[in-house]
Amino acid sequence: AQTIHQWPVAEIKAVGSPLSLGCTIKGKSSPNLYWYWQATGGTLQQLFYSITVGQVESVVQLNLSASRPKDDQFILSTEKLLLSHSGFYLCAWSLDWGGGEQYFGPGTRLTVL
Amino acid sequence: DAKTTQPDSMESTEGETVHLPCSHATISGNEYIYWYRQVPLQGPEYVTHGLQQNTTNSMAFLAIASDRKSSTLILPHVSLRDAAVYHCILRVQQGTGSKLSFGKGAKLTVSP
Repeated sequence: AQTIHQWPVAEIKAVGSPLSLGCTIKGKSSPNLYWYWQATGGTLQQLFYSITVGQVESVVQLNLSASRPKDDQFILSTEKLLLSHSGFYLCAWSLDWGGGEQYFGPGTRLTVL
Repeated sequence: DAKTTQPDSMESTEGETVHLPCSHATISGNEYIYWYRQVPLQGPEYVTHGLQQNTTNSMAFLAIASDRKSSTLILPHVSLRDAAVYHCILRVQQGTGSKLSFGKGAKLTVSP
């Protein structure tokens, strides 16, 4: 069975500080990976997607970056947090090329003060 | 991806069968209809999807109108665990990105 793990579960950070959020998929090789963001009370927005190791495409510009260092790992980061980065960050995977059936992780709640 | 219209909210009681409507009058021929649901502080959960034919799985029945301009997600015998925001999403099965565009969805409340 596939499992998706995100870390940390929650984070409180200061404006201007760096951030690194992680996502790991187990039990599935070569998944398509995605990062989503949801502001409090807002709708989910896809931020990045990755089809293969070392390749990441940006969907929305939020002064964030993403990397895929391993087949089963997806990292979201920034060197300087903004207040507007607060929200709920979700990692997701899909198996099929271009498939809309995506499976989401438990998420990371980020509060920027 | 084309736009969908859902009611803001719906109410039900445990054990009832719930019909969640979705209007997509400008749907293209190659767009699939996807349904996801989300509870607070959790990621969305895939429910079902279809193109033209009605589909059914362990979670729900998806009824698609013959002209594809509307669909209905049918949840039989709902329980408290079915309370969530339900999203009706259209997307093309294209090659890259698998972008899912979530809107506000329809909030389903289930009472004991």
